[in-house]
Amino acid sequence: EAGVAQSPRYKIIEKRQSVAFWCNPISGHATLYWYQQILGQGPKLLIQFQNNGVVDDSQLPKDRFSAERLKGVDSTLKIQPAKLEDSAVYLCASSLGAGSYEQYFGPGTRLTVT
Amino acid sequence: SQQGEEDPQALSIQEGENATMNCSYKTSINNLQWYRQNSGRGLVHLILIRSNEREKHSGRLRVTLDTSKKSSSLLITASRAADTASYFCATDESGNTGKLIFGQGTTLQVKP
Repeated sequence: EAGVAQSPRYKIIEKRQSVAFWCNPISGHATLYWYQQILGQGPKLLIQFQNNGVVDDSQLPKDRFSAERLKGVDSTLKIQPAKLEDSAVYLCASSLGAGSYEQYFGPGTRLTVT
Repeated sequence: SQQGEEDPQALSIQEGENATMNCSYKTSINNLQWYRQNSGRGLVHLILIRSNEREKHSGRLRVTLDTSKKSSSLLITASRAADTASYFCATDESGNTGKLIFGQGTTLQVKP
């Protein structure tokens, strides 16, 4: 079974530029999550999708971050404009459904904002 | 916000020894999960324990849950160098949305 795919793996941008990350979840997984993991900390949920609807985006900085999951499969997360404090690893995860299911994580995208 | 607090933050042991990591949380939960993260990689699910369970085993892993104390522990027996990683507890809060709140993690180093 193919795992969660993410691209790119690494990205370096200057502050105020924009960046986009892509995620392809495990086939058949209805729920998709984007997490931000700052160095030395645990992942923090940014947004959760159930199929193509948003379940939770309470911690997404909506003035600069946006995410979509068209057709309930792939998802993109965008930052515009980026700030220095956005430097982090952005992890995508998927699960069979919302509820007591384990989550499967992709390798992440390491973003450095200079 | 971070719910889980893990203790210790870092742990260094010799191969063959046991490693114990603790996690405390603040609110009612549906379940608690433990994940492992190798350096520069994504997280890997280890074990899920539901709120009505007290202990669970998976291979060399043993997880306990005490909902009255809002705490959990992960025991790795007969550790190996390959167990070197960061370990995170994550709580699935009551409400059953699947949203996980992760702790800060424990960094485990197993010396060969």
